[in-house]
Amino acid sequence: QVQLQESGPGLVKPSETLSLTCTVSGGSISNYFWSWIRQPPGKGLEWIGYIYYSGSTNYNPSLKSRVTISVDTSKNQFSLNLTSVTAADTAVYYCARASGSFGTKFCDYWGQGTLITVSS
Amino acid sequence: SYVLTQPPSVSVAPGKTARITCGGDNIGSKSVHWYQQKPGQAPVLVIYYDGDRPLGIPERFSGSNSGNTATLTISRVEAGDEADYYCQVWDSSSDHPGVFGGGTKLTVL
Repeated sequence: QVQLQESGPGLVKPSETLSLTCTVSGGSISNYFWSWIRQPPGKGLEWIGYIYYSGSTNYNPSLKSRVTISVDTSKNQFSLNLTSVTAADTAVYYCARASGSFGTKFCDYWGQGTLITVSS
Repeated sequence: SYVLTQPPSVSVAPGKTARITCGGDNIGSKSVHWYQQKPGQAPVLVIYYDGDRPLGIPERFSGSNSGNTATLTISRVEAGDEADYYCQVWDSSSDHPGVFGGGTKLTVL
């Protein structure tokens, strides 16, 4: 059974960088797309971006200038960096595996999510 | 970018059928996936490729997709089905393909 676990600080100061890591267990990180998705309190889901195990990435245009997603296949981990955070970046951050073929992807495994609060 | 439109809320009595819609331009040409999210929990995939169910998802959950509307149908609704439901597509023609609908709160009366 594939399991994902987010880790990182729960509190980040405004203008600083949010850094999260997702550790994948029970399966290999190879041959899949890996995503970061966030959910502001009381709101819907927003796809931040994804990375293929080979390192190719795609980011939400609304966040592209501030986002970097990277992968470490030796540790079965992938990471999110979001720079210059503001209160609007306060959200539950999820990592997820994106599976699928025929030109489509869906998230079949999710981490439990971690609440990141941006506040001084 | 591609836009998915869901009703904010749907209410249904126990034992009845709930239908949650997801609208999008020619959405019938895309594969639609559905997630259930209960309070304080991560989303769970309940339907993929329009109408396939992952292992462990009851047969009461089904999906359809045609024209400009995809529909998640929950038959014989139970109290435990009360949750937020999100549709999702992968728009390959977009510079950012992963798109979620705004979500629908299903209330079991």
